[in-house]
Amino acid sequence: VLTQSPLNLPVTLGQSASISCTSSQSLVHSDGKIYLNWFVQRPGQAPRRLIYKVSARDSGVSGRFSGSGSDTDFTLKVSSVEADDVGVYYCMQGTHWPPTFGQGTKVEI
Amino acid sequence: QIQLAQSGAEWKQPGASVRISCKASGYIFGNFGVAWVRQAPGQGLEWLGWISASTGDSKFSQTVQGRVTFTTETSTATAYMDLRSLKLSDSATYFCARASSSAVGGVSIWGPGTRVTVSS
Repeated sequence: VLTQSPLNLPVTLGQSASISCTSSQSLVHSDGKIYLNWFVQRPGQAPRRLIYKVSARDSGVSGRFSGSGSDTDFTLKVSSVEADDVGVYYCMQGTHWPPTFGQGTKVEI
Repeated sequence: QIQLAQSGAEWKQPGASVRISCKASGYIFGNFGVAWVRQAPGQGLEWLGWISASTGDSKFSQTVQGRVTFTTETSTATAYMDLRSLKLSDSATYFCARASSSAVGGVSIWGPGTRVTVSS
């Protein structure tokens, strides 16, 4: 089970925001890697991956997004929040079957 | 440019079946898997399962196991999801997404989604 907090996150433009994702079990795979991803879903759109394997940024993703964490506790940080950053953010683990998502964190300005 | 294109919205009665297609472009289809995820209105994301595009091996979540079939057609780079015995609770937007070839790791690129409405 992945538990995100907070579930609602009002942010101020230009400020930083952090979302926590806690797993009920270790997300270290037998291959030694941690398959923890972060997605953002804007209204009416499909999710878009921002971060994979805890901290690797997808191509085209702003450097303002960073992921960190280990084992069971993970964080997505958005620095200098922009208006375009609004949406619902999900963490997702791909280590254990079936993959699971957090409940989502709604970020609004 | 990597893209996944999905079939259009469907309206079905309870007990019916639905087939959703997912056509991939911009990458070697057989080198990856395809995952299926759904999202009920106003709700979060639910993983349904995965299929290897090269071998056809499939894995399913318990939620839909026994009612769902995943197939792929490598000649057209298309994946299909068939969901049978539809229930009102199956009303959702269904997404396909590019996954790893091993079912480990999660997904990267998503299709736009297909809205399925189950109603009498």
